[in-house]
Amino acid sequence: EPEVTQTPSHQVTQMGQEVILRCVPISNHLYFYWYRQILGQKVEFLVSFYNNEISEKSEIFDDQFSVERPDGSNFTLKIRSTKLEDSAMYFCASSRTGTTGNTIYFGEGSWLTVV
Amino acid sequence: GENVEQHPSTLSVQEGDSAVIKCTYSDSASNYFPWYKQELGKGPQLIIDIRSNVGEKKDQRIAVTLNKTAKHFSLHITETQPEDSAVYFCAANSNDYKLSFGAGTTVTVRA
Repeated sequence: EPEVTQTPSHQVTQMGQEVILRCVPISNHLYFYWYRQILGQKVEFLVSFYNNEISEKSEIFDDQFSVERPDGSNFTLKIRSTKLEDSAMYFCASSRTGTTGNTIYFGEGSWLTVV
Repeated sequence: GENVEQHPSTLSVQEGDSAVIKCTYSDSASNYFPWYKQELGKGPQLIIDIRSNVGEKKDQRIAVTLNKTAKHFSLHITETQPEDSAVYFCAANSNDYKLSFGAGTTVTVRA
C-alpha cells in the first residue's frame, strides 16, 4: 500500500536554528498538508498546499514557517528560527483530491525537539 | 471555524466488550468525518470514515454513525481486542483543505 514517508524521524536542534522537515507524499496525490501534535495534545492543522501554492494556513503558521515543493516528489516544511514551543511531532499528509472527496493519509511523523 | 469535541478522554474496557467514542462538531457545512487510530510514536492511521450523505458505515468490528441534525458522530468498536488499545481521534473537515481534530480518546483494552 502506498504511504507518505517523512525524514528525519527525530531531530534535535538548538533554539534559533533553521530546520527543514521533508516528506514524500503518495505519488498520485495532489493535495499536501502539514499538521503538528504537541506531546499529549490534539493534532493541529498547519498548512495545506495545492497547485504549487498555499491553499490555507492556520494562525500557528506564521512568518517563521514556509513550505515548498522543490521537485515533483518532495514536500518540505521549513522553520526559520526555531523556538522551544516548536517542539512537537510534525506530520505530513496527502490526499488525491480535497477533503470532501478523498481520504487524507498521514506519514509516521518527524519528532522535533528544540533545546 | 470548525470545533470538534470528543468524549470520553479515556476509556477502559474488558476484552470482548464494546467501546463507544462520541464527537460533536460545530460547522454544519462539514461533510467528511474520518476516524484515526494512533499508536505510540506513530502517525494517525485512518480506520474508517463517513460522508454526510450516509448515516452509518460498518467495517468488520468497527462502525461509525452520523447524525447531521444533531451534529454528532460516533465510533463503535465491538468485540474489543488488546490490539485495539491506542489513541483514537475523530475529525471533521472545515473545507476542502483542512481537518479539525478532536482531543483524542485513549482506549485501553484489559485482557
